Amino acid sequence: DTGVSQDPRHKITKRGQNVTFRCDPISEHNRLYWYRQTLGQGPEFLTYFQNEAQLEKSRLLSDRFSAERPKGSFSTLEIQRTEQGDSAMYLCASSSDRDIRYTFGSGTRLTVV
Amino acid sequence: GESVGLHLPTLSVQEGDNSIINCAYSNSASDYFIWYKQESGKGPQFIIDIRSNMDKRQGQRVTVLLNKTVKHLSLQIAATQPGDSAVYFCAEIPGSGNTGKLIFGQGTTLQVKP
Repeated sequence: DTGVSQDPRHKITKRGQNVTFRCDPISEHNRLYWYRQTLGQGPEFLTYFQNEAQLEKSRLLSDRFSAERPKGSFSTLEIQRTEQGDSAMYLCASSSDRDIRYTFGSGTRLTVV
Repeated sequence: GESVGLHLPTLSVQEGDNSIINCAYSNSASDYFIWYKQESGKGPQFIIDIRSNMDKRQGQRVTVLLNKTVKHLSLQIAATQPGDSAVYFCAEIPGSGNTGKLIFGQGTTLQVKP
């Protein structure tokens, strides 16, 4: 297990389409986080899972966004009816209860045209 | 809302010099602070962390200083190398920190001149 994997690395989509991103955390990590990062800004928290339970969601996560972690392992983030303002880097991170230091993935860069 | 911010958007240093990147935070209840390095096209990479019960922590070529009186955090990089060129973010875990949710600042771009 070499780290947190995110797929795809890049996604270009037309406005109004739905997109889904996948994150595979480090296998022994029970905590999983999604963040969004726009150009020149720091990452902004979107949501947090402990095992399969989604325990916190940011106000940034509108009704068009949904995240799942069905078996407590990989997670998906879906954006429905994408808008140009959704264009950003979507970062996934994982950590354990014993060690709160995150490991981030390389992100999925979404461009909505 | 509360946020963690950085003083300078860009810092340019000569290779071999020491670098100091500063950060001001606003949540006095924050218990845990982290510095991340982000290279182009990659996710943030953990550099060093510090808890609020400490003033200083040293790693390999890096030192983090925490001044709780003025709510200031700094990252010192000794003998800066070209590979240190990146965007540096400070981040905090607010409140009790049970979820591990991080609040990031806006970042400082470190440019190392050969």
